[in-house]
Amino acid sequence: AQSVTQLGSHVSVSEGALVLLRCNYSSSVPPYLFWYVQYPNQGLQLLLKYTSAATLVKGINGFEAEFKKSETSFHLTKPSAHMSDAAEYFCAVTRGDSSYKLIFGSGTRLLVRP
Amino acid sequence: NAGVMQNPRHLVRRRGQEARLRCSPMKGHSHVYWYRQLPEEGLKFMVYLQKENIIDESGMPKERFSAEFPKEGPSILRIQQVVRGDSAAYFCASSFEQGRETQYFGPGTRLLVL
Repeated sequence: AQSVTQLGSHVSVSEGALVLLRCNYSSSVPPYLFWYVQYPNQGLQLLLKYTSAATLVKGINGFEAEFKKSETSFHLTKPSAHMSDAAEYFCAVTRGDSSYKLIFGSGTRLLVRP
Repeated sequence: NAGVMQNPRHLVRRRGQEARLRCSPMKGHSHVYWYRQLPEEGLKFMVYLQKENIIDESGMPKERFSAEFPKEGPSILRIQQVVRGDSAAYFCASSFEQGRETQYFGPGTRLLVL
């Protein structure tokens, strides 16, 4: 069965510092992987997705993630944090076949200090 | 192109009342998914519908919960005889096709049961 683990329910960085949000997955078949961002009292917005093409995926707002099969990881990074990046981030997995169920991690809340 | 619409955004019900949550998918999308987010948790899949058909309701509680997506009009998630444990954010997503297609999320309905 597929599952997602996000290490660290809260991550705090200074403005301008590197952002690293961790996501590890388990999947018995090639996965599709997603990162979504949720701002307070809003829905989820897709940041980026991996669908078995390039292992380094670039998304919106300067975020990117690298798929590492050997480590079963899909960590999200951004070189320089901005105050507007403060939000909750969810990693999700679905199977590489036609499965439609997104399986979400428990989320990581990113705090950006001025 | 309007995004996924959900209403109401906030809903307060007393125990034993009924809650009706509405979701209008993005234009051209015929696949609708409902997810529930309990406090401090990630989203959990509830049900997947196409027009006039329930495809997968494996994530729905066995009692009191039902969903529909009629030929005309929005998708409805109905919760009968609500209990305090039903308090959560309910998100609707839609996609053009199932599976590998990106799911676009609405802003959610936050249900509070008193």
